[in-house]
Amino acid sequence: KNEVEQSPQNLTAQEGEFITINCSYSVGISALHWLQQHPGGGIVSLFMLSSGKKKHGRLIATINIQEKHSSLHITASHPRDSAVYICAVPNTDKLIFGTGTRLQVFP
Amino acid sequence: GAGVSQSPSNKVTEKGKDVELRCDPISGHTALYWYRQSLGQGLEFLIYFQGNSAPDKSGLPSDRFSAERTGGSVSTLTIQRTQQEDSAVYLCASSLAWTEGFGGQYFGPGTRLTVT
Repeated sequence: KNEVEQSPQNLTAQEGEFITINCSYSVGISALHWLQQHPGGGIVSLFMLSSGKKKHGRLIATINIQEKHSSLHITASHPRDSAVYICAVPNTDKLIFGTGTRLQVFP
Repeated sequence: GAGVSQSPSNKVTEKGKDVELRCDPISGHTALYWYRQSLGQGLEFLIYFQGNSAPDKSGLPSDRFSAERTGGSVSTLTIQRTQQEDSAVYLCASSLAWTEGFGGQYFGPGTRLTVT
């Protein structure tokens, strides 16, 4: 069992739909990251959170430390949201990554 | 200001040759990170530097891999005697300072390494 698991692996949506991507982890953590990898390969850090909820524009990230689970939500999805979304958790001296969720939003 | 830059952007090398990959972090960033992403695979953490020091080198895939950082700025990832399984995109990131949560990272565009 991977230490960080994401679901779903692939996700397709129509423009405007509400999107949820899930991340579960088995290690104790100080924080959790959500990253976005664009089709061209560039990676952007979206959120780092250790409790509760964070919001940036149409993106919302939540974390439940007790349940070791985090979700990334996208409201009013748009084709430009199409990307791979990756969660990552720090563990001792390294970052452990989920396998990513490939999101495609169609107009 | 300038972001994290990596060179070369693409590198094709023959099996058995040595390669050096370079990362220029954002000016003033004291922490620097190396990652690898094999084709169709997820991200893999390799090593991080606090200043010129790498506290833990156990993430490097084999003893053919080494990394150094001098002057608290540029870092070089060296792969000796390259193998086909080393083919991947090697990504570098930097942050203002290292924190336990590995926060505040800005990623470079990556170096795509192909070993033939």
